[in-house]
This record gives sequence, structure tokens and C-alpha cells, in this order.
Amino acid sequence: ETGVTQTPRHLVMGMTNKKSLKCEQHLGHNAMYWYKQSAKKPLELMFVYNFKEQTENNSVPSRFSPECPNSSHLFLHLHTLQPEDSALYLCASSQDLASGITSYEQYFGPGTRLTVT
Amino acid sequence: AQKVTQAQTEISVVEKEDVTLDCVYETRDTTYYLFWYKQPPSGELVFLIRRNSFDEQNEISGRYSWNFQKSTSSFNFTITASQVVDSAVYFCALNTPSGSARQLTFGSGTQLTVLP
Repeated sequence: ETGVTQTPRHLVMGMTNKKSLKCEQHLGHNAMYWYKQSAKKPLELMFVYNFKEQTENNSVPSRFSPECPNSSHLFLHLHTLQPEDSALYLCASSQDLASGITSYEQYFGPGTRLTVT
Repeated sequence: AQKVTQAQTEISVVEKEDVTLDCVYETRDTTYYLFWYKQPPSGELVFLIRRNSFDEQNEISGRYSWNFQKSTSSFNFTITASQVVDSAVYFCALNTPSGSARQLTFGSGTQLTVLP
């Protein structure tokens, strides 16, 4: 496997279900991200992890719970979601941001298309 | 505050035509980074280019070229001799040190359709 992979690619879940999205990067990066892409809306950053530590949480509802066990893996645990949570969830990774370096390009996975019924 | 505007929601061209995708950004920082990504129907965003604010030299990569103009806060993307495989949504994005160093501000995207 190369680049950033995400599973599953498609997920349909009821509002009372619990499911998890998985992301794995094979690029040797140390920063990982979750984004939400809804129809007709710009990409929304949800969470950022750097060296397994969460560094950003953009006011995401608690029904979304991220987990980063190591620098290569990132999970998004879902529970009691709402229909408006239906979207494409994208994972990305980049090099870590060492002192003096302010930006690296992010590499994205193919996303998980989530439908909440 | 940071903002990226892609005024063109949808563009349709016939194969072999040239097409320019516009991107206008807003930031008060003097140091910033601009990006272009391509999102084909498969869903993943493909990184195309990163440009920092101190490098105004235009860049060409095959059929792709980018025109960075600080005077107009624009970072436009041109595809020469377009092909059907260029059909995708293209996003312009901005990153500045004053915001979160890891947060990209994306434009709303331009859907490009290249017809055979």
C-alpha cells in the first residue's frame, strides 16, 4: 500500500449505531488530519494530531471521537450521529511542523462516504 | 482572518481548449502558503502545487501553469490543451502562520468538466 488509505470507502449507519473510520498513512509522516466535506460546503478541518497528540479540535461535536494510537494510524469513532453528519470524511497526513517550518503540503486519502439514516 | 475565493463554481470546456481557474485570497500575513488540489470523482484530493508568498515566479509543469500575483492577491491555475481526464473539482487553499500552522483554508472549489 502507498500513500494514505481509508476504510471503509462507503458506510451507511443508523443514528443509534456505533462505527469507526480508519486511516493509515504509508508516507512516514507524523501529522494526521480529519476533514469533513459536505455537499456545497468548503472542506472543514475537524481534528489534527501531531506525533500522536491532538493539537486541533475545531469545535467538533462529541459524537465524533478521534483516536491516534501511533503516527501511522488515525481513527474516527462515530456514535449517535445525525442525518446532517452524512458527508465525505477525508483523512490527510503531512510532515510534522518543526520549529521554523510553518507549512507542508497535506496528502489525502480517498475518503469514506458516510450516510446516516 | 483568512479567506479563499473561487468565484467560478463550474466551468465546461471542450477538449484541447485552454482553461484558467481563478483563486483570490485574503490574509494580513506577509508570510503565507498557497496550494492547489485536484479532486477527481474517486474522492481523494491530489496535491498539485505549493507556493510561498516570497516566491512570485510563475511555474509550469507540463500542461499546468500557475500565475501568482501578490498585487491582486491571486493565484490562478491554467490547464493548457485540456483533456477529459482533467475533469475534476479543483481547490485552492491558503495557510498562514498566524492561523493554526496546520490549518488549510480551502476555497469552495471549481468543478471543471472537459467534454470530448
